[in-house]
Amino acid sequence: AQTVTQSQPEMSVQEAETVTLSCTYDTSESDYYLFWYKQPPSRQMILVIRQEAYKQQNATENRFSVNFQKAAKSFSLKISDSQLGDAAMYFCAYKRPTGNQFYFGTGTSLTVIP
Amino acid sequence: ETGVTQTPRHLVMGMTNKKSLKCEQHLGHNAMYWYKQSAKKPLELMFVYSLEERVENNSVPSRFSPECPNSSHLFLHLHTLQPEDSALYLCASSYRQPFTRGNEQFFGPGTRLTVL
Repeated sequence: AQTVTQSQPEMSVQEAETVTLSCTYDTSESDYYLFWYKQPPSRQMILVIRQEAYKQQNATENRFSVNFQKAAKSFSLKISDSQLGDAAMYFCAYKRPTGNQFYFGTGTSLTVIP
Repeated sequence: ETGVTQTPRHLVMGMTNKKSLKCEQHLGHNAMYWYKQSAKKPLELMFVYSLEERVENNSVPSRFSPECPNSSHLFLHLHTLQPEDSALYLCASSYRQPFTRGNEQFFGPGTRLTVL
């Protein structure tokens, strides 16, 4: 089974600064998808950004971008110009192109300091 | 209502009670999922339904019984639970295989379950 590892249980960042959340994964496949989900306190988990493994270009969504290193099996999330509303649990997830299952990491709790 | 909704949001039950969790999706999806979220652990996939047929059951104890009467509704029936079953139970939906590929799952807000 695929495993996803988030080695930072907690992170903090000053408002307006940049923070990077780490994620590594284990797979023997060449085609797959990677996701970062955000779960604010007591609110729904929502998709932040998605990366397709066959695309070399790193995905970007406004202040959120990823550093996808396929050979290293690394998928980090960079949040620029951090805002108070970015405070949440962030989950990294892996998915094969077929099948229904997502594999999630244990999450990183991000605190944004005013 | 939009997206994925779950009721109740909070549930406290004794070990001998029977209760049900409800999930409803308003996104036109045809696959639905139950996850268990416990602190400091990865999300655990419990059940997957595709076109109302259960396609995955990840070794979940029989005290959890899912039901999917149609593609918009999903239930999780609970009976004789244990204190270690206390967790946040999340429902999610998506398009079914083979259309899943990179399509994301949309999550509900969860039901916070406490078993006394």
